[in-house]
Parts: sequence; C-alpha cells; structure tokens
Amino acid sequence: AQSVTQLGSHVSVSEGALVLLRCNYSSSVPPYLFWYVQYPNQGLQLLLKYTSAATLVKGINGFEAEFKKSETSFHLTKPSAHMSDAAEYFCAVSDWGALTFGSGTRLQVQP
Amino acid sequence: NAGVTQTPKFQVLKTGQSMTLQCAQDMNHEYMSWYRQDPGMGLRLIHYSVGAGITDQGEVPNGYNVSRSTTEDFPLRLLSAAPSQTSVYFCASSRTGGDSEAFFGQGTRLTVV
Repeated sequence: AQSVTQLGSHVSVSEGALVLLRCNYSSSVPPYLFWYVQYPNQGLQLLLKYTSAATLVKGINGFEAEFKKSETSFHLTKPSAHMSDAAEYFCAVSDWGALTFGSGTRLQVQP
Repeated sequence: NAGVTQTPKFQVLKTGQSMTLQCAQDMNHEYMSWYRQDPGMGLRLIHYSVGAGITDQGEVPNGYNVSRSTTEDFPLRLLSAAPSQTSVYFCASSRTGGDSEAFFGQGTRLTVV
C-alpha cells in the first residue's frame, strides 16, 4: 500500500523567507506525486505534480518540488514567501486516480 | 465552466437521519471520488467510480453508499448518520490515469448531532 508522510503540521516563516514543506512517500512502484493547496473554506487546488518526466517540477505561484528516489522524498519549496501563500498544503500519491494524502502542513507567513 | 459542484455547502443532521450529498461535474471526466477531511488526518478516500455503473470502496467506506448512473453525477448517501461522520466532504473528478490532476468541489461541511 502507498503512504505519504508530511513532517511538521505547522510551519511558520517570515515574508520573503524560504519555504520548505517536507513530504516522504512509500510506494512499491514508481509513484505519481502531487502537491495540492487548500485556502480557507475552499477545495483543493493543484500546485504541481511529478509523473517521471523530470525530477525537478515547477508549479504555480513560484513553487517547485524535487523528486528524490533515493530519499523517497518530494519536498515543496519556494524561494521567497508571500503573505498570500498562507494556506494548508497536502502531498499525495496516486494509485490509478485514487489519492492517498498526507496529513497536511499549515503554512503561516509572518509580516 | 463550473467544474465540480457540490451541494449543499453546509448541513446539520440528527443521529440516525439519512441524506444525500450531491456532486456534479461538467468536464466529462470518467473518474470521480469522494473524500472526507478531518483535522490532522488529511483527506481519506470513501468511494470512487471509474465510469458510469462502476463504483468501488476506498479507505473508509463504512456508513456510506454511492451510485453512478451518469458520467456527470456521483451522489454520496449517508444511510443512518452518526456523530463520527461529522466532517468536511469533498468530491473530485479527473481523467482516468494515475497522473491526472484531480479537480475538487468546494466541500460540504456536515455536522451530526
């Protein structure tokens, strides 16, 4: 069975600082990996996805993630945090469309 | 383009009542699914469907029924609501295939008292 672990349920950064949200996965086959973002009282929106085409994946709003098979990781980064990045972020692995999510990381951005 | 539409947005039920959460998509996606979101647990898959007439159970199916009579609609039924079903429910749709982006509805916040 596939699983996803997100380290840190809450992360706080200053505006302009680096954002690093951690995700480790477990999968017996090459995985399809996703990062979704959820703004308050809204549904989830895709940030980026890894589908084996390239290990460094660029997404929307300046986010990117690097797939590292040796570390079974897919960490999400953004060089400079903006106040509008405050949200909850979910890493997920897909099994033919059925998503298994991590428990989520709430990002707080301090002015 | 409406995407994925869920109704209602909010609902309060008494224990033992039944109800149906509606989900409709206008993207002609074959794959549809229901998730529940609980604090600290992320989203967990309840049921999914790979096409009209085909449904299957996810991780937490107990207490829920689904059917898929059309490509567009995928309702979720609570047969006899329990307080443990208090949650936020999300419907999603996508093209078939593990690399496809899932599109989510705005969610239904359900409280069972």
